[in-house]
Amino acid sequence: EADIYQTPRYLVIGTGKKITLECSQTMGHDKMYWYQQDPGMELHLIHYSYGVNSTEKGDLSSESTVSRIRTEHFPLTLESARPSHTSQYLCASRQTSGGSDTQYFGPGTRLTVL
Amino acid sequence: AQSVTQLDSHVSVSEGTPVLLRCNYSSSYSPSLFWYVQHPNKGLQLLLKYTSAATLVKGINGFEAEFKKSETSFHLTKPSAHMSDAAEYFCVVSDPTGFQKLVFGTGTRLLVSP
Repeated sequence: EADIYQTPRYLVIGTGKKITLECSQTMGHDKMYWYQQDPGMELHLIHYSYGVNSTEKGDLSSESTVSRIRTEHFPLTLESARPSHTSQYLCASRQTSGGSDTQYFGPGTRLTVL
Repeated sequence: AQSVTQLDSHVSVSEGTPVLLRCNYSSSYSPSLFWYVQHPNKGLQLLLKYTSAATLVKGINGFEAEFKKSETSFHLTKPSAHMSDAAEYFCVVSDPTGFQKLVFGTGTRLLVSP
């Protein structure tokens, strides 16, 4: 069982608001990821991090930003939310030691922007 | 570039009958392949993974998948479906270049009827 947490699980917010989606993992994984998933669609990578102070943009362009000040914490921020940001956001971390290569996912945050 | 194609968007079975979810992959490298399951309003859970060891991979909840290089396939099977298997299933390939991100298929929704 993976220990990766996301809060809030659900968020409904008005246009123009600043929001931060939290993601934390207690497994000590260096690599962390944010994916965006529209209903009924596949996941698309929007951000990733190699470790502390490392962040990169993924395949899908996103207006969100991320930070990685601590190994266990990888928050995603939208400075001004818009209806087009309505989606599910999934955070993941990756274990690469011990011969394993597995990404563990959090439960996701379902964001609705009115 | 790596990619996966899930051949069926929906699969319907009766409880107690076999399950087959089809996946074909494209990879320039020896791939790592995964199946993830997503239950409604839940996060992604790893079912099983192939990382160049045995070609027949056993996962959780009675699922297994066979890696066939000649057919570039990684189909997911289960001998007897249970109502609790109803969910969305994603076939995933790990891109070994760059940051080794996951590339998701479009998903197959499994429906199980009594």
